[in-house]
Amino acid sequence: GAVVSQHPSWVICKSGTSVKIECRSLDFQATTMFWYRQFPKQSLMLMATSNEGSKATYEQGVEKDKFLINHASLTLSTLTVTSAHPEDSSFYICSALGGGSAKNIQYFGAGTRLSVL
Amino acid sequence: SQKIEQNSEALNIQEGKTATLTCNYTNYSPAYLQWYRQDPGRGPVFLLLIRENEKEKRKERLKVTFDTTLKQSLFHITASQPADSATYLCALDLGAGNMLTFGGGTRLMVKP
Repeated sequence: GAVVSQHPSWVICKSGTSVKIECRSLDFQATTMFWYRQFPKQSLMLMATSNEGSKATYEQGVEKDKFLINHASLTLSTLTVTSAHPEDSSFYICSALGGGSAKNIQYFGAGTRLSVL
Repeated sequence: SQKIEQNSEALNIQEGKTATLTCNYTNYSPAYLQWYRQDPGRGPVFLLLIRENEKEKRKERLKVTFDTTLKQSLFHITASQPADSATYLCALDLGAGNMLTFGGGTRLMVKP
C-alpha cells in the first residue's frame, strides 16, 4: 500500500517551454501533497505544499508563477514548470501525506529528472 | 534558523557490521523525527518514525534512538548487507501541516 506514482521520470525540453509533472497516490487519498527539488549531492528542498481544493503554499524564494501547482483531486497533484530555463534543471520529487496511522508519513514518488537545454 | 546536520562524508563498513548514522539538530524541538532511505535517482523511502516521547524504536535490523536533550538521533543497521548501501536522510517535522525539513543525508557503503 501507499504507492505514489510520478510521471514522467525523465524529461528534456527546450528553454522557454513548459513542462508538467504529475504525482498520483495510487491506493490512498492524499489531501496534502508536497513538491521538492533536489540538486546533485544535496538534500531535498521543499518547494510547496499542495492541498486538495485550495491554493498551494509556496516556500520562501519559490516563484509561484513559475512553478504552478494544481491539486484538483484527492489522488492527483501536478507541478508545471513554466518557461523553463537551464537553471530549472533539477530532480523534482513529490510526496503524498498518509492518512490514519500514517498521517505523519510522507510517501514519495520516484522523482522526475528535468533537463532544460 | 533550524539546522539539521548529518555526516556528509560517506560511511564505509564491512558486511555484517553495524552501521551507525548520526543526525544532530539545533534551534528546534520536533514532535517527531523520521528516517528515510534514498537510492540514486529515486525518491526517498520511509523507514522509521520516532516521537519525542520515545527513546528507541526498532524495525527488523533497524534501530533508531532519539535524545531530545542532546538534540540527536542515531540510526543503526545491524548485520549490514551490501543491499543496505544507499543515502539515509533524517527529517524533522516543522510543527505545521506535517511539513518536514531534511538533513543532507549520509551515504552508506557496505562492502562484501
